[in-house]
Amino acid sequence: ETGVTQTPRHLVMGMTNKKSLKCEQHLGHNAMYWYKQSAKKPLELMFVYSLEERVENNSVPSRFSPECPNSSHLFLHLHTLQPEDSALYLCASSQKFRLAGFHNEQFFGPGTRLTVL
Amino acid sequence: KQEVTQIPAALSVPEGENLVLNCSFTDSAIYNLQWFRQDPGKGLTSLLLIQSSQREQTSGRLNASLDKSSGRSTLYIAASQPGDSATYLCAVSGSGGSNYKLTFGKGTLLTVNP
Repeated sequence: ETGVTQTPRHLVMGMTNKKSLKCEQHLGHNAMYWYKQSAKKPLELMFVYSLEERVENNSVPSRFSPECPNSSHLFLHLHTLQPEDSALYLCASSQKFRLAGFHNEQFFGPGTRLTVL
Repeated sequence: KQEVTQIPAALSVPEGENLVLNCSFTDSAIYNLQWFRQDPGKGLTSLLLIQSSQREQTSGRLNASLDKSSGRSTLYIAASQPGDSATYLCAVSGSGGSNYKLTFGKGTLLTVNP
């Protein structure tokens, strides 16, 4: 595997289910990101982890719970979601975090298409 | 709060045409600007990244320019091909301690007709 991978690619869940999204980066990066892309809206940053420490929680409801066990893996645990949470969830990684003079280019995975019934 | 606008929202051109996509942002205090391509239902592919101190970047048939003081960037695609059909996204990163935060535009949906 190369780049940033995400599983599953598609997920349908009921409002009472608990599920998890997984992201893995094979680039040796140490910062990872979760984004949400809804129809007709720009991508929204949800969470940022640097060296397994959460450094950003962009006012995301508690029904979304991120986990970063190491610098290569990132999870998004979901429970009691609402239909309006249906969206494409994208994971990204970058080599460094907040390093002055470093361009911090972000590389994205293919996304998980989530549908909440 | 940074806002990014992309014009036009959609563009349809015949194959072989040169075209320009526009991106504007409200806060000129950015660290860099990235152009991405997104195919339907897929993730984002980074095309070009321009540092705030740079004026342009080129990759193959793509050329991106940045005028930071006026809050504008353009993506120029030369000799367009049907395979260029996709949504093109512009994103700017904050300055200082927020240089990891990307603010995205809604994108321009490009269709190149054979």
